[in-house]
Amino acid sequence: GAVVSQHPSWVICKSGTSVKIECRSLDFQATTMFWYRQFPKQSLMLMATSNEGSKATYEQGVEKDKFLINHASLTLSTLTVTSAHPEDSSFYICSASTRDPNRAQYFGPGTRLTVT
Amino acid sequence: LAKTTQPISMDSYEGQEVNITCSHNNIATNDYITWYQQFPSQGPRFIIQGYKTKVTNEVASLFIPADRKSSTLSLPRVSLSDTAVYYCLVKDSGYALNFGKGTSLLVTP
Repeated sequence: GAVVSQHPSWVICKSGTSVKIECRSLDFQATTMFWYRQFPKQSLMLMATSNEGSKATYEQGVEKDKFLINHASLTLSTLTVTSAHPEDSSFYICSASTRDPNRAQYFGPGTRLTVT
Repeated sequence: LAKTTQPISMDSYEGQEVNITCSHNNIATNDYITWYQQFPSQGPRFIIQGYKTKVTNEVASLFIPADRKSSTLSLPRVSLSDTAVYYCLVKDSGYALNFGKGTSLLVTP
């Protein structure tokens, strides 16, 4: 299967600071990348959809000015959590997809964010 | 997005075959059925994807009846390391996945 990486795998930051998480598709070109958030014992919740070269589409309730998404190339998308607060602590997971109907969506390993 | 329904949890002993059934009554013509496995603090791992009939790979089989309103993931001879949450999703390529609660599978000796 395809490989999607995330960096960092975990990060601890102080309240009020910003954190950037990278998502890379290593062996295929991802026309679309997705960002999910997962709280303990819960399922994945979609935050935003990012198409290469265009602005991200955010789900209802997700603040676009707080969660900045950039998808500058077909292999890289970044999520920046600005002015992080403890309630932003969560497991952030990206996935990458193409428009090929035979192609599944592949997920990164996730990034554990802890805001102190 | 088509809604899926699957059992919240299942238990199995090592070495048994496990079948997890998922219903997706509102599946659209262009939707594929995809199953993922997730371990704690890891991203979902792709298991298998299919459109109709039967698909088999090195880890699982996926059975899809003609009406495509349900599907069954079959895991042959499970081991302790197969303890995980299994998600059934239906999607049109390139679109976001709507994760339900999944099925928490517990495999015991």
